[in-house]
Amino acid sequence: DAKTTQPNSMESNEEEPVHLPCNHSTISGTDYIHWYRQLPSQGPEYVIHGLTSNVNNRMASLAIAEDRKSSTLILHRATLRDAAVYYCILINAGGTSYGKLTFGQGTILTVHP
Amino acid sequence: NAGVTQTPKFRILKIGQSMTLQCTQDMNHNYMYWYRQDPGMGLKLIYYSVGAGITDKGEVPNGYNVSRSTTEDFPLRLELAAPSQTSVYFCASSPGQGLSPLHFGNGTRLTVT
Repeated sequence: DAKTTQPNSMESNEEEPVHLPCNHSTISGTDYIHWYRQLPSQGPEYVIHGLTSNVNNRMASLAIAEDRKSSTLILHRATLRDAAVYYCILINAGGTSYGKLTFGQGTILTVHP
Repeated sequence: NAGVTQTPKFRILKIGQSMTLQCTQDMNHNYMYWYRQDPGMGLKLIYYSVGAGITDKGEVPNGYNVSRSTTEDFPLRLELAAPSQTSVYFCASSPGQGLSPLHFGNGTRLTVT
């Protein structure tokens, strides 16, 4: 399975934009890029996903490099409630993974008031 | 709408004891999953199910058993608890494979002493 690499931790100030990077140099053509986040003492929560084009939803934006070997999750205005561990995950839509997710250690985002 | 409900929230077991972690979802999802999360680590898949009566092993199935007699319920059984099974256990569900976002419960924190 293709792997992802994320920084261990990042910090931001409240109401500033946050760019969380993810490298996935071995991504295949049928791998979708998903982002989840996990708030303290809670289960992971789906944030966004995409294949090739940039994606926006109410929570965040996903910017995907043209060669798809990296992507960036963008939180446009960080709030204290965005402090969480963010996971970048590849899911092969054409395989037999049945939606099984491979979670790495993720990026711990700290938001300062 | 309750989503994915896990019980109990906390449990302490002695070595060799058995217990069942309960998971129920009310979204009529076909796919259900059990993950474990050790301190400071990502999630690892234990077992998953693609529908009632169908289960399969994930990455770390040893020491666990599952059953799926209904669409709603996916209990996880620990037969002979060991200290290595001290972890936080998350149940998740999704409507289909691949791209469908997973919906997670809030976890069961299990300590085996």
